[in-house]
Amino acid sequence: SAVISQKPSRDICQRGTSLTIQCQVDSQVTMMFWYRQQPGQSLTLIATANQGSEATYESGFVIDKFPISRPNLTFSTLTVSNMSPEDSSIYLCSVEAADYGYTFGSGTRLTVV
Amino acid sequence: KQEVTQIPAALSVPEGENLVLNCSFTDSAIYNLQWFRQDPGKGLTSLLLIQSSQREQTSGRLNASLDKSSGRSTLYIAASQPGDSATYLCAVGSGGANNLFFGTGTRLTVIP
Repeated sequence: SAVISQKPSRDICQRGTSLTIQCQVDSQVTMMFWYRQQPGQSLTLIATANQGSEATYESGFVIDKFPISRPNLTFSTLTVSNMSPEDSSIYLCSVEAADYGYTFGSGTRLTVV
Repeated sequence: KQEVTQIPAALSVPEGENLVLNCSFTDSAIYNLQWFRQDPGKGLTSLLLIQSSQREQTSGRLNASLDKSSGRSTLYIAASQPGDSATYLCAVGSGGANNLFFGTGTRLTVIP
């Protein structure tokens, strides 16, 4: 299965600032997925990122708040913009392979103060 | 919309005990089901993937079963160890390509 390197692993940020999270995959993948896990909650899909096209956002998530880049088939970034304490969550990227299911990055634990 | 439920929400067992975690889903039209482990503040580690045509999968001390018709899956952990302490999540692939629905998880504590 794919191996995903995600960074940073954690950060503490001031409200009103932005944080960019990076995910690097060790193989080429068509789609990458970004999830949010709020404290005590399960995972919620933010968006699906395809190389060469705009990301597809789920209901409740908008590009201005969570811009995504997908410059090639092994890399993607998610930016959390104009942060508020409500954005404090774990953010995860993921890819899927038919025989292995979904593989996740190690997560970015974001605290907004 | 697919809904995934995990029972119990939390479980505490003494080391060495065998245990079962439960996952139920409302729509039986799934293409796979995956069990994950999550350590506090960390990402997800895939444990077992069961395709819709399969009944069970095994890896070491772990065995996962799938009964699509009743909308249920179980994760059996044999001879539990303190290192098994984590949150276990089940996720169902359903409703179209790349739709993954997560349960709320079972937080397992294995007491030495």
